[in-house]
Amino acid sequence: GENVEQHPSTLSVQEGDSAVIKCTYSDSASNYFPWYKQELGKRPQLIIDIRSNVGEKKDQRIAVTLNKTAKHFSLHITETQPEDSAVYFCAASITIKAAGNKLTFGGGTRVLVKP
Amino acid sequence: DAGVTQSPTHLIKTRGQQVTLRCSPKSGHDTVSWYQQALGQGPQFIFQYYEEEERQRGNFPDRFSGHQFPNYSSELNVNALLLGDSALYLCASSLGQGGNIQYFGAGTRLSVL
Repeated sequence: GENVEQHPSTLSVQEGDSAVIKCTYSDSASNYFPWYKQELGKRPQLIIDIRSNVGEKKDQRIAVTLNKTAKHFSLHITETQPEDSAVYFCAASITIKAAGNKLTFGGGTRVLVKP
Repeated sequence: DAGVTQSPTHLIKTRGQQVTLRCSPKSGHDTVSWYQQALGQGPQFIFQYYEEEERQRGNFPDRFSGHQFPNYSSELNVNALLLGDSALYLCASSLGQGGNIQYFGAGTRLSVL
């Protein structure tokens, strides 16, 4: 089955600096890659996603890049702010109509933005 | 527009007991997935329901079972609870199957003593 590895497990950055989180996946059939942010005691919230027919996607200070050949995708957060402090999870999915789309998650990255 | 709601928020059980967790999907969604999140780890897929049938299942034993009702709400049942079943159980809903965004509920925190 699919396996997703996420690095680093913890990341501490100064406010205003950039943060980068990297994930690798094992199944080349995976075609959907969401990123979720989970604050302490709260639900995972989708912050950005990318599909396999796109190499890069950006939404304000957040961007995701995908390298299908290397089976690698990354989350980039620019101009970090204290409210970006949270645990971030990457996930991979093989989307098959009539068969569902289970998400396989990485282990998470705890991001701390220091003021 | 109501998001994904789960009940109860917290639950304490003892080993060997049985538990039922409930989930109401986001308005307009018809697919429900369940995940188990152990402390400090990423969520792990348990199963997914669509059209009242289990469509996909993760690597969980038969002690974990579920149901989806005609109104798309869902239940997760766990029998013969083990200490290792202590976790946050998350429900996610989506529209249709394949390629659609999953929205998560706040979860049910289950403690098995």
